[in-house]
Amino acid sequence: AQTVTQSQPEMSVQEAETVTLSCTYDTSESDYYLFWYKQPPSRQMILVIRQEAYKQQNATENRFSVNFQKAAKSFSLKISDSQLGDAAMYFCAYRSPRNNNDMRFGAGTRLTVKP
Amino acid sequence: KAGVTQTPRYLIKTRGQQVTLSCSPISGHRSVSWYQQTPGQGLQFLFEYFSETQRNKGNFPGRFSGRQFSNSRSEMNVSTLELGDSALYLCASSLDGSSGSTDTQYFGPGTRLTVL
Repeated sequence: AQTVTQSQPEMSVQEAETVTLSCTYDTSESDYYLFWYKQPPSRQMILVIRQEAYKQQNATENRFSVNFQKAAKSFSLKISDSQLGDAAMYFCAYRSPRNNNDMRFGAGTRLTVKP
Repeated sequence: KAGVTQTPRYLIKTRGQQVTLSCSPISGHRSVSWYQQTPGQGLQFLFEYFSETQRNKGNFPGRFSGRQFSNSRSEMNVSTLELGDSALYLCASSLDGSSGSTDTQYFGPGTRLTVL
């Protein structure tokens, strides 16, 4: 079974600085999808970024980018120019195309942004 | 487009009771998945419905059930509530969710269930 590990329960960053959240996963599949979701205090899960395993190019969405290392099974999220609104729980998630919509989530990383 | 909506947002029940939660997906989305989120277990997949059929199921007891209607709206039911069922229940919808689909799941705000 696929497992997702986020080894950093909490992270802190100064406003305008850059922070990287780590995620590793375990799978025997070659084709899959990876996601980062953000959950602010409102509890609404918001998609931050997604990456298809077959794509070598790292996904980027404005200030958010990933470092996808397929061989190492690593999928880290980099947040540049951190803003106060980035403070939230961040979840890394894995989805297999053969197991429709059964997404596996990591335990989450709580990000604090200091003014 | 309106996002995923869930009702009610908050619910308080006592042990032994049953509860029904509702989820309306984004217009046009046909797949609805349910997740349970607790501090101890994190986010866990409950089940997924597509075209009124349960297509995938997580590792939860039979007290947890669901259904999907022809308009893609979904309900989940928990019978004989236990204290451990207290959690945030999240619903997520995706466009198709068929095998090999590249769909992304979009989440609703959740229903917070408290069992006393």
